[in-house]
Amino acid sequence: GENVEQHPSTLSVQEGDSAVIKCTYSDSASNYFPWYKQELGKGPQLIIDIRSNVGEKKDQRIAVTLNKTAKHFSLHITETQPEDSAVYFCAASGDDMRFGAGTRLTVKP
Amino acid sequence: EAQVTQNPRYLITVTGKKLTVTCSQNMNHEYMSWYRQDPGLGLRQIYYSMNVEVTDKGDVPEGYKVSRKEKRNFPLILESPSPNQTSLYFCASSLGGSQSLYEQYFGPGTRLTVT
Repeated sequence: GENVEQHPSTLSVQEGDSAVIKCTYSDSASNYFPWYKQELGKGPQLIIDIRSNVGEKKDQRIAVTLNKTAKHFSLHITETQPEDSAVYFCAASGDDMRFGAGTRLTVKP
Repeated sequence: EAQVTQNPRYLITVTGKKLTVTCSQNMNHEYMSWYRQDPGLGLRQIYYSMNVEVTDKGDVPEGYKVSRKEKRNFPLILESPSPNQTSLYFCASSLGGSQSLYEQYFGPGTRLTVT
């Protein structure tokens, strides 16, 4: 089955800086890679996703890149704001979906 | 409003006392799933259902049961809870039968403590 590793586990940045979270996966059949944001006391919510036929996708300050050859994908947040502070999860999905362990992002004002 | 609801949100119980956590979605989704979230381990799938009367084990099914008698409901049953089932539980639903293709919508979570 799929195995997803996520790094770093914690990340602290200054407001306005960029944040990058990286994930690797093991199953070459995986073809869907969502990123979820979980705020305190709430369930995870999808913020961006990418499918295997695309190398990069952007949505305002958020971008995701995918390298299928190396089996890794990354989340990039530019111009970070305090409201970006949350736990972020990556996931990889083919026959089943597996989540990374999560990254706690703190954006300091 | 499109949503996944779970009840209760918080539950403290004792070892061996059967409990049920309910999950309901109003989006007519075919796929539903239960996860548990533990520190450092992320989200691990307990059971999932591709459609009514179809359920399958996820990664950590031991000690749990589910049923899918109606499309909108997917209750999680702990017949004899143990302290290692203390966790934060999430129900999720998705449009399609194949979980790989669609966004999953998560409920607000149920924090369970078993003493």
